[in-house]
Amino acid sequence: DGGITQSPKYLFRKEGQNVTLSCEQNLNHDAMYWYRQDPGQGLRLIYYSQIVNDFQKGDIAEGYSVSREKKESFPLTVTSAQKNPTAFYLCASSTPSPSGANVLTFGAGSRLTVL
Amino acid sequence: AQSVTQPDIHITVSEGASLELRCNYSYGATPYLFWYVQSPGQGLQLLLKYFSGDTLVQGIKGFEAEFKRSQSSFNLRKPSVHWSDAAEYFCAVGGNYGGSQGNLIFGKGTKLSVKP
Repeated sequence: DGGITQSPKYLFRKEGQNVTLSCEQNLNHDAMYWYRQDPGQGLRLIYYSQIVNDFQKGDIAEGYSVSREKKESFPLTVTSAQKNPTAFYLCASSTPSPSGANVLTFGAGSRLTVL
Repeated sequence: AQSVTQPDIHITVSEGASLELRCNYSYGATPYLFWYVQSPGQGLQLLLKYFSGDTLVQGIKGFEAEFKRSQSSFNLRKPSVHWSDAAEYFCAVGGNYGGSQGNLIFGKGTKLSVKP
Protein backbone atom coordinates (compact mmCIF):
# COMPACT_ATOMS: atom_id res chain seq x y z
CA ASP A 1 0.00 0.00 0.00
CA GLY A 2 1.19 3.51 -0.75
CA GLY A 3 1.88 5.78 2.16
CA ILE A 4 4.31 7.78 4.23
CA THR A 5 6.73 6.16 6.65
CA GLN A 6 8.22 8.18 9.48
CA SER A 7 10.97 6.88 11.69
CA PRO A 8 11.72 6.59 14.48
CA LYS A 9 8.34 6.68 16.20
CA TYR A 10 9.93 7.80 19.47
CA LEU A 11 13.26 9.56 19.88
CA PHE A 12 15.07 10.87 22.91
CA ARG A 13 17.78 13.46 22.66
CA LYS A 14 20.15 15.09 25.07
CA GLU A 15 20.47 18.83 24.99
CA GLY A 16 23.05 19.97 22.46
CA GLN A 17 22.61 17.03 20.13
CA ASN A 18 21.35 17.13 16.58
CA VAL A 19 18.82 14.49 15.56
CA THR A 20 17.41 13.54 12.18
CA LEU A 21 13.86 12.37 11.57
CA SER A 22 13.23 10.26 8.51
CA CYS A 23 10.29 10.62 6.13
CA GLU A 24 9.83 8.38 3.11
CA GLN A 25 6.85 8.29 0.74
CA ASN A 26 5.92 5.91 -2.07
CA LEU A 27 2.94 7.90 -3.31
CA ASN A 28 4.93 9.55 -6.11
CA HIS A 29 3.95 12.92 -4.68
CA ASP A 30 5.95 15.95 -5.71
CA ALA A 31 5.53 18.04 -2.58
CA MET A 32 6.54 17.14 0.96
CA TYR A 33 6.10 18.98 4.24
CA TRP A 34 7.20 18.94 7.87
CA TYR A 35 4.88 20.11 10.63
CA ARG A 36 5.39 20.49 14.33
CA GLN A 37 2.50 19.79 16.70
CA ASP A 38 2.33 20.96 20.30
CA PRO A 39 -0.69 20.44 22.57
CA GLY A 40 -3.34 23.08 21.89
CA GLN A 41 -1.29 24.68 19.11
CA GLY A 42 -2.47 22.83 16.04
CA LEU A 43 0.03 22.20 13.26
CA ARG A 44 2.76 24.64 12.39
CA LEU A 45 4.72 24.39 9.14
CA ILE A 46 8.48 23.99 9.50
CA TYR A 47 9.70 23.39 5.95
CA TYR A 48 8.23 22.31 2.66
CA SER A 49 9.56 21.15 -0.67
CA GLN A 50 7.67 21.28 -3.93
CA ILE A 51 10.35 19.62 -6.05
CA VAL A 52 13.59 17.69 -5.65
CA ASN A 53 16.61 19.80 -4.68
CA ASP A 54 14.44 22.71 -3.63
CA PHE A 55 12.79 23.59 -0.32
CA GLN A 56 11.41 26.64 1.46
CA LYS A 57 11.09 27.75 5.06
CA GLY A 58 7.73 27.58 6.71
CA ASP A 59 6.52 29.56 9.69
CA ILE A 60 8.88 28.12 12.30
CA ALA A 61 12.06 27.04 10.45
CA GLU A 62 14.59 28.37 12.97
CA GLY A 63 16.64 25.55 14.48
CA TYR A 64 15.67 23.05 11.79
CA SER A 65 17.20 21.95 8.49
CA VAL A 66 16.05 19.70 5.65
CA SER A 67 17.25 18.19 2.40
CA ARG A 68 15.42 16.86 -0.65
CA GLU A 69 17.87 14.82 -2.68
CA LYS A 70 15.27 12.26 -3.76
CA LYS A 71 11.60 12.60 -4.56
CA GLU A 72 10.74 9.93 -2.02
CA SER A 73 12.68 11.30 0.93
CA PHE A 74 12.53 14.49 3.00
CA PRO A 75 14.55 14.14 6.25
CA LEU A 76 14.31 16.76 8.97
CA THR A 77 17.25 17.59 11.25
CA VAL A 78 16.47 19.17 14.59
CA THR A 79 19.61 21.07 15.50
CA SER A 80 20.94 22.14 18.87
CA ALA A 81 19.85 25.67 17.94
CA GLN A 82 16.19 24.70 18.36
CA LYS A 83 15.40 25.97 21.85
CA ASN A 84 12.36 23.85 22.59
CA PRO A 85 12.47 20.77 20.38
CA THR A 86 10.25 18.46 22.42
CA ALA A 87 7.20 17.97 20.21
CA PHE A 88 5.34 15.66 17.86
CA TYR A 89 6.60 15.94 14.27
CA LEU A 90 4.44 15.12 11.28
CA CYS A 91 5.55 14.61 7.72
CA ALA A 92 3.10 14.97 4.84
CA SER A 93 3.08 14.84 1.08
CA SER A 94 0.76 16.09 -1.63
CA THR A 95 0.19 16.32 -5.30
CA PRO A 96 -2.09 18.96 -6.78
CA SER A 97 -5.62 17.89 -7.53
CA PRO A 98 -7.23 18.94 -10.83
CA SER A 99 -8.68 21.90 -8.98
CA GLY A 100 -5.23 23.01 -7.92
CA ALA A 101 -5.75 22.29 -4.22
CA ASN A 102 -3.10 20.49 -2.21
CA VAL A 103 -4.57 17.47 -0.47
CA LEU A 104 -2.15 16.34 2.21
CA THR A 105 -1.44 12.74 3.21
CA PHE A 106 0.23 12.39 6.60
CA GLY A 107 2.63 9.96 8.16
CA ALA A 108 2.09 8.54 11.65
CA GLY A 109 4.45 11.02 13.28
CA SER A 110 7.63 11.01 15.36
CA ARG A 111 7.69 12.08 18.99
CA LEU A 112 10.93 13.78 20.03
CA THR A 113 11.71 14.26 23.70
CA VAL A 114 14.70 16.22 24.93
CA LEU A 115 16.08 14.93 28.21
CA ALA B 1 -4.56 37.56 7.32
CA GLN B 2 -5.46 34.00 6.52
CA SER B 3 -6.58 32.04 9.55
CA VAL B 4 -8.74 29.22 10.84
CA THR B 5 -10.60 29.33 14.14
CA GLN B 6 -12.02 26.35 15.94
CA PRO B 7 -13.83 27.94 18.88
CA ASP B 8 -14.27 24.78 20.92
CA ILE B 9 -11.12 23.32 22.45
CA HIS B 10 -12.87 20.31 23.96
CA ILE B 11 -16.35 18.86 23.46
CA THR B 12 -17.97 15.93 25.23
CA VAL B 13 -21.02 14.19 23.78
CA SER B 14 -22.90 11.05 24.69
CA GLU B 15 -22.69 8.06 22.42
CA GLY B 16 -25.57 8.16 19.95
CA ALA B 17 -26.00 11.93 20.22
CA SER B 18 -25.49 14.29 17.32
CA LEU B 19 -22.30 16.27 16.89
CA GLU B 20 -21.36 19.60 15.38
CA LEU B 21 -17.80 20.94 15.41
CA ARG B 22 -17.38 24.54 14.42
CA CYS B 23 -14.84 26.03 12.04
CA ASN B 24 -14.54 29.61 10.87
CA TYR B 25 -11.95 30.83 8.40
CA SER B 26 -10.52 34.00 7.01
CA TYR B 27 -9.18 33.69 3.49
CA GLY B 28 -8.58 36.17 0.69
CA ALA B 29 -9.85 34.06 -2.17
CA THR B 30 -12.03 31.06 -2.86
CA PRO B 31 -11.06 28.63 -0.14
CA TYR B 32 -10.42 24.95 -0.28
CA LEU B 33 -11.61 23.50 3.03
CA PHE B 34 -10.69 20.32 4.82
CA TRP B 35 -11.45 18.37 7.97
CA TYR B 36 -8.86 15.95 9.34
CA VAL B 37 -9.08 13.59 12.32
CA GLN B 38 -6.22 12.49 14.56
CA SER B 39 -6.25 9.62 17.04
CA PRO B 40 -3.82 9.91 19.96
CA GLY B 41 -0.20 9.48 18.89
CA GLN B 42 -1.14 9.08 15.24
CA GLY B 43 -1.02 11.09 12.05
CA LEU B 44 -3.92 12.97 10.52
CA GLN B 45 -6.52 11.30 8.33
CA LEU B 46 -8.61 13.22 5.81
CA LEU B 47 -12.33 13.11 6.65
CA LEU B 48 -13.65 15.29 3.85
CA LYS B 49 -12.86 18.25 1.63
CA TYR B 50 -14.67 21.03 -0.19
CA PHE B 51 -13.37 22.53 -3.40
CA SER B 52 -16.47 23.77 -5.20
CA GLY B 53 -20.02 22.85 -6.12
CA ASP B 54 -22.49 21.40 -3.65
CA THR B 55 -21.91 23.11 -0.33
CA LEU B 56 -22.83 19.99 1.65
CA VAL B 57 -20.05 17.44 1.39
CA GLN B 58 -20.00 13.88 2.59
CA GLY B 59 -16.96 12.26 4.06
CA ILE B 60 -15.81 9.01 5.57
CA LYS B 61 -17.12 7.49 8.80
CA GLY B 62 -20.55 9.12 8.37
CA PHE B 63 -19.32 12.71 8.68
CA GLU B 64 -20.54 15.63 6.63
CA ALA B 65 -19.74 19.33 6.50
CA GLU B 66 -21.48 22.37 5.12
CA PHE B 67 -19.73 25.32 3.52
CA LYS B 68 -21.44 28.63 4.27
CA ARG B 69 -19.70 31.41 2.42
CA SER B 70 -21.77 34.18 4.05
CA GLN B 71 -20.69 32.99 7.49
CA SER B 72 -17.14 31.95 6.52
CA SER B 73 -17.85 28.63 8.15
CA PHE B 74 -17.29 24.97 7.44
CA ASN B 75 -18.86 23.07 10.33
CA LEU B 76 -18.50 19.32 10.68
CA ARG B 77 -21.52 17.22 11.66
CA LYS B 78 -22.42 13.65 12.46
CA PRO B 79 -25.97 12.49 13.27
CA SER B 80 -25.00 9.80 15.78
CA VAL B 81 -21.61 9.63 17.46
CA HIS B 82 -19.86 6.34 18.15
CA TRP B 83 -17.31 5.77 20.91
CA SER B 84 -14.65 5.26 18.22
CA ASP B 85 -15.13 8.87 17.08
CA ALA B 86 -13.26 10.11 20.15
CA ALA B 87 -10.24 11.92 18.68
CA GLU B 88 -8.99 15.38 17.82
CA TYR B 89 -10.43 17.12 14.78
CA PHE B 90 -8.67 19.75 12.70
CA CYS B 91 -10.15 22.15 10.20
CA ALA B 92 -7.84 23.51 7.49
CA VAL B 93 -8.07 26.04 4.67
CA GLY B 94 -5.95 26.36 1.56
CA GLY B 95 -6.06 27.80 -1.89
CA ASN B 96 -4.78 27.52 -5.39
CA TYR B 97 -2.19 30.20 -5.01
CA GLY B 98 1.23 29.23 -6.14
CA GLY B 99 4.07 28.74 -3.73
CA SER B 100 3.66 29.19 -0.01
CA GLN B 101 0.30 30.89 -0.29
CA GLY B 102 -1.24 27.61 -1.37
CA ASN B 103 -0.16 25.81 1.78
CA LEU B 104 -2.81 24.67 4.22
CA ILE B 105 -3.52 26.66 7.36
CA PHE B 106 -4.74 24.54 10.26
CA GLY B 107 -6.95 25.39 13.19
CA LYS B 108 -5.80 24.47 16.68
CA GLY B 109 -8.11 21.51 16.87
CA THR B 110 -11.15 20.35 18.83
CA LYS B 111 -10.80 17.33 21.08
CA LEU B 112 -13.90 15.15 21.12
CA SER B 113 -14.69 12.91 24.07
CA VAL B 114 -17.57 10.43 23.92
CA LYS B 115 -19.48 9.35 27.04
CA PRO B 116 -20.91 5.82 27.11
